Formats: sequence, structure tokens, C-alpha cells
Amino acid sequence: EAGVTQSPTHLIKTRGQQATLRCSPISGHTSVYWYQQALGLGLQFLLWYDEGEERNRGNFPPRFSGRQFPNYSSELNVNALELEDSALYLCASSFGQGLETQYFGPGTRLLVL
Amino acid sequence: AQRVTQPEKLLSVFKGAPVELKCNYSYSGSPELFWYVQYSRQRLQLLLRHISRESIKGFTADLNKGETSFHLKKPFAQEEDSAMYYCALSAANQAGTALIFGKGTTLSVSS
Repeated sequence: EAGVTQSPTHLIKTRGQQATLRCSPISGHTSVYWYQQALGLGLQFLLWYDEGEERNRGNFPPRFSGRQFPNYSSELNVNALELEDSALYLCASSFGQGLETQYFGPGTRLLVL
Repeated sequence: AQRVTQPEKLLSVFKGAPVELKCNYSYSGSPELFWYVQYSRQRLQLLLRHISRESIKGFTADLNKGETSFHLKKPFAQEEDSAMYYCALSAANQAGTALIFGKGTTLSVSS
């Protein structure tokens, strides 16, 4: 069974630009979570999507947004990039709501210059 | 506020020695606790969760609500246990609750 996939693996942008990161969940999973892993800050929850809707978001500004498509894949958009947005962005998927195990993708490393 | 603390950034032990990775949490409700592991060049993966009460790869973890701890233990460390370990908390009985992670502990097992 294929795991969670993310693209691209690496992304280099300049300050002020927009970045789009993509995630494909495990087949059958309807929930997608996004996390940011910045140096020194650990893994922090960004967004949760389930059945096409944003269900919860972490303590991040509105320029972090995303969506979930009918096939349950998801996109994370970061507008007006700042240097401190440089981080590893991890996507996780789980089967529906509740306390199902979250399965993580390999991540997208975003570098903002 | 929900918080997970892993006091050690790095834990170095010799092969065959006992291992204890510490995790303390702060949460007013009923928590669900997890340990995730990330081996070199691999993705983050679930090691165990307290509700399962199982032993994975020789590791166990007991939830101590009095001490608000969920330490990860293994009686005899192996070199292949070398990895980054993250303790995580989720609010039980709340659908789709995000995981709150500690900052992780690097376990280094040498021969």
C-alpha cells in the first residue's frame, strides 16, 4: 500500500512570493493534517482537513491556508513568504475523524531566501 | 494549555543498556499519548500509543496521570534503536484533534 506522498521534496522561494505544497493521503483516508517543523521549534500543527472542509487550524497567520480536493488530496498555500517560513512541512493522513493513527509523508523542505 | 516536554535533546547509551526517554505533558482533560520515531532518512512513524498497551520493538510506555508522564522504556538498547523520538499528545474523545509534539530526543546507541 502506498504511503502518504508529498510534492515537491524541496522548494526554494524568495521573500514575498507564494508557495504551494501538495499532499496525497493513503487511499481510503479522508483526513489530512499539515504540520510545520521549523528549526528549534519542533513539530507544530498547522491545519486539519476532513471531507473537503477545514476543521481546525493551529496558531498560524491567515497567509497559511489550504484546501482539500474531492479525491482527499490537499494543498497548503503560504502567501507573502517570510524568512522564518523556512521549514520542513509534513503532511499526515488518517482514516476519518476520531483518534485514528496519523501516517506521515516524507515532507517538503521549503527554503525562503 | 496543552504542552509536551521532552527534557533531553540527546540520550547516548551503550548497546545492551537500559533506555528511558522522558516525556511529561500538561493537559487538563483526558489525554491520548503517543510515541513517534524517525529513523535516519525515513519518515516519521508511530511507535506506540498508550491506549494500545502494547510493546513495539521491545519498547513500552506507561501513562502516569499522577506524574503526568509517559516515559518510553526499553530494557536492552540495540544499535538499530538509534533515531529521533517524539512524544505527542492528543485530546481524547475529540474528533480530529491535532497532535501536540514535544521537541524530540535523539537516541544514540553505540557498541
